[in-house]
Order: sequence, then C-alpha cells, then structure tokens
Amino acid sequence: EAGVTQSPTHLIKTRGQQATLRCSPISGHTSVYWYQQALGLGLQFLLWYDEGEERNRGNFPPRFSGRQFPNYSSELNVNALELEDSALYLCASSPDPSSSYNEQFFGPGTRLTVL
Amino acid sequence: KNEVEQSPQNLTAQEGEFITINCSYSVGISALHWLQQHPGGGIVSLFMLSSGKKKHGRLIATINIQEKHSSLHITASHPRDSAVYICAVINYNTDKLIFGTGTRLQVFP
Repeated sequence: EAGVTQSPTHLIKTRGQQATLRCSPISGHTSVYWYQQALGLGLQFLLWYDEGEERNRGNFPPRFSGRQFPNYSSELNVNALELEDSALYLCASSPDPSSSYNEQFFGPGTRLTVL
Repeated sequence: KNEVEQSPQNLTAQEGEFITINCSYSVGISALHWLQQHPGGGIVSLFMLSSGKKKHGRLIATINIQEKHSSLHITASHPRDSAVYICAVINYNTDKLIFGTGTRLQVFP
C-alpha cells in the first residue's frame, strides 16, 4: 500500500511569491493534516481537511490556506511568502473522520526555502 | 510555559541500554501520540494512546491521565533508534494537536 506522498520535495521561492504544496493521502483516508516545522522549532499544526472541508485551523495568518479535492488529495498555499515561512511542511492522513486525530500517517515533507 | 514538555531534550546511550523519554502536559487531552522523526524529516507515528500501555516490538508507551504524564521506553536500544522522538497531545477542548519540542536520541555502538 502506497504511503502519503508529497510534492515537491524541495521548493525555493523568493519573498512575496506564492508557494503551492501538494499531498496525496493513503488510499481510503479522507482526512488530511498539514504541519509546519520551522528550523529550531517543534511541529505546529496548520490545517485539517476532511471530506473537502476545513475542519480545524492552527494559529497561522490567512495567507496560509488550502483545499482538499474530491479525490481527497490536498494543496497548501502560502501567499506573500516571508523569510520565516522557510520550513519543512509535513502532510499526514488519517482514515477515521469521526475522531479528529486518529492515528496519523505522515508524508516525507516538502522543504520550503524562502530567499 | 509550553503545554507539552518533554525531557530530556537530548539523550545519548550505548547500544543495549534501556531508554526512557518523558512527556508531561498541562491540558485536558483526548489522546496522546508518540512520533519518531529521522534525519531528513520523515515522521513515523509510533503510538496513539488514551490510557494504559501499548507495546510494539522493543517500544513501550505508557500514559497516566491523572498525572498528565506519558513515557516512551526503548528496550535494548540500537543505533538505528537514533532519531527525534516527539510527544503530541490532542487538546480535548480545541481538538487541536499540540506538539512537544522533541527529544533527540543518539545511540552509539
């Protein structure tokens, strides 16, 4: 069974640009979560999507947004990039939408560098 | 003060040693995760527990809800166990996942 996949592996942008990160969950999983791990900091919860809807959101500004498609894949968009947005962005999927954080399966991450 | 605290922050061990990593939290939770992050960033979910104890191979996780404390134990540690171990709790009220800052473990042969 294929795991959670993310693309691209690395992404380099300049300040002010927009970044789009993609995630494909494990087949059969309907929930997708996004996390940010900035250098020297722990993981922080960004967004949770389930069945195409945003279910919960972390303490991030509105320029962090996303969506979930009918096939349950997801995009994370970061607008007006700032230097401190440089981080590893992790996606995770979960099979059980009734419990917000059942066991999660993590993808390999996308490393975003903002210059 | 962080809502989830882990100790120690860094841990070195000789191969074969018994390892304990601790996690304390200050919020009401519905469940707690132990995660393993290898160099390069890949994360593996080790356990999710809401009470008692779980065991998988050489790994054991326990939780005491009354004391708001969880421990991750590694028996017969091996160099391949070298990684960052992260504790994360689901806040019962907000339904959000809150992460500890991790414990960096290095096991030497």
